[in-house]
Amino acid sequence: GESVGLHLPTLSVQEGDNSIINCAYSNSASDYFIWYKQESGKGPQFIIDIRSNMDKRQGQRVTVLLNKTVKHLSLQIAATQPGDSAVYFCAENGGGSQGNLIFGKGTKLSVKP
Amino acid sequence: NAGVTQTPKFRILKIGQSMTLQCTQDMNHNYMYWYRQDPGMGLKLIYYSVGAGITDKGEVPNGYNVSRSTTEDFPLRLELAAPSQTSVYFCASTKAGGGQYFGPGTRLTVT
Repeated sequence: GESVGLHLPTLSVQEGDNSIINCAYSNSASDYFIWYKQESGKGPQFIIDIRSNMDKRQGQRVTVLLNKTVKHLSLQIAATQPGDSAVYFCAENGGGSQGNLIFGKGTKLSVKP
Repeated sequence: NAGVTQTPKFRILKIGQSMTLQCTQDMNHNYMYWYRQDPGMGLKLIYYSVGAGITDKGEVPNGYNVSRSTTEDFPLRLELAAPSQTSVYFCASTKAGGGQYFGPGTRLTVT
């Protein structure tokens, strides 16, 4: 069935390095994608989103890339900091108009000092 | 704005008890959602609402009920708690076409 999945369940990076978290989606009708950060014991926090009419969007220290040809989404975090340690989820809308999102299982990012 | 608030933060229920998880948002968002998150897993949609007076089932609605009498509030009701409902529950809201904003969650244990 349709799903949103992540290539790597865990990612460990050195402080100051760049991090790349990947996500595959299979619902070709999805036209809106979001990355969330969830710290331990807290709710998911919106990081950045992208619509299917774009292939790149930048925020503060984060960049999301969308490759519709291979149905791939990535989150790049520049100069990773200890505060970036969290679980990162990608989500897609499945092409729906009611705001419902399909979430992947998440990638745990650990930043080593 | 306080954003999305949820109460209680924690709750322990006995099998068969009932309770209501409260969710309120002050952003005037029309869309509201309830998710559950089991350990090490992603979020599963329980119920959602596109506006006051309108609710619909998500992926895992069995054992739950919701109501939406106002734009601000979207309570989730568990009528006969079961151990399978042990989870962390998140409420979220959004305006149309935007990202969802989540509350801090309610950690529920059913024993």
